[in-house]
Parts: sequence; C-alpha cells; structure tokens
Amino acid sequence: QSALTQPASVSGSPGQSITISCTGTSSDVGSYNLVSWYQQHPGKAPKLMIYEGSKRPSGVSNRFSGSKSGNTASLTISGLQAEDEADYYCCSYAGSSLWVFGGGTKLTVL
Amino acid sequence: QLQLQESGPGLVKPSETLSLTCTVSGGSISSSSYYWGWIRQPPGKGLEWIGSIYYSGSTYYNPSLKSRVTISVDTSKNQFSLKLSSVTAADTAVYYCARRPGGLAAFDIWGQGTMVTVSS
Repeated sequence: QSALTQPASVSGSPGQSITISCTGTSSDVGSYNLVSWYQQHPGKAPKLMIYEGSKRPSGVSNRFSGSKSGNTASLTISGLQAEDEADYYCCSYAGSSLWVFGGGTKLTVL
Repeated sequence: QLQLQESGPGLVKPSETLSLTCTVSGGSISSSSYYWGWIRQPPGKGLEWIGSIYYSGSTYYNPSLKSRVTISVDTSKNQFSLKLSSVTAADTAVYYCARRPGGLAAFDIWGQGTMVTVSS
C-alpha cells in the first residue's frame, strides 16, 4: 500500500484554473471511483472538498471539481482565489476497508 | 453539530506506547454506520491513514503499522482511542481523529489534531 503520487507544487494566478493530479494503481484509484480531496491551510485540520471522485459536500464552492481517468484522479480549481492557497491531499479507497493518501500538493496563488 | 477532540501526552519516550483519545461531542459514537479513524501527519509531510474502527468494534489497520496499532471504542464515554507501541522518532506527528460515514467514502469531520513528539 504505497502513497498516491501528487505533484509537490502547482501555481496559478487569480482567476485562472489549475489541476492537481493524483496517481495510484489498479488496486486503488483505478479500481474504485472513491477518491476524495482535502484542503489544508497551515496549522489547520484538513477539510473535505470532493468525495467519491466528483461530488461536493454542502458548502463547498462549485469552483472545485473532481474527475478520474484510469489510475489517475484530478482536482480542478477554477477562478482561482487567494484563499485557495493551501495544501491539497487526495485519498483513495484501496480495498479491504483500507485507505491511502497522496503526498500532498502545495498550491500557490501568484 | 458533531465535534471531535483529540487528547493525550504531547511527549512520548522512544520504545514506549503512544496513547491518544478522541472525544466525540454533539452526537453519539454508537450511531450506526459510522467509522471512526486516526490519521497522522509528520512535520512538513503528508497525511497517513493509521486505521479505523466501526461503531460495532470492528477494526481496520494500515498494513505498515498493523503490528503496533490498537484502536478501541468506549461507548460509555463517547470516545475512541489509539495506542501505538514501540514508538520511534519516525512516529512524531500531528495525530488527527476523523469520522467517516458508512455511506460516504471520505472523512467528513476532523478533530483539530494533537502534536505528539517522540523523544527521550
């Protein structure tokens, strides 16, 4: 059970769109449409932003969207805002009631 | 609204056992179809799922930590607990407790986290 692979950092200017990838294997991301995404500001607990690949919890902006292709899931943030600057983590179900997280991506809003 | 709060020693000596408790308020830990989990984050690093416990007591552990981890639930106190034995400096991290509804493949409510340092 290895950590999912995310880019260490991404950046974008206000108003632009960015996409964060999350690559797993056929045993986790590829087998289940059960990827979730979390936003974490410095010193704070993670916050659920996307679940089951593309669903948004109540209260999360529709600027956040998720998708999956093969063994790679993606989080897209459109209309970037300064408050979106944070770390983002993906998480996938890995079978047998096990879960695996990604290494995290630092988003910088230029 | 449901809240989770971690508690326990902030400093543990190498080779000893780390013990943390998560207190659930604003709801019952015995409510059906909820899993209660522990997730940790070493300083400057990513998140790692440690394990989860179902309200009925069934447990699920990260294979890489399974030999050292025990998660239990105390319904009378509305708490669940983590024990991690034979700790080393590599276990230094912020430890979070979190809830996962059975019908939701995600951790929807998190505690604020508690920092545990392993050092002599």
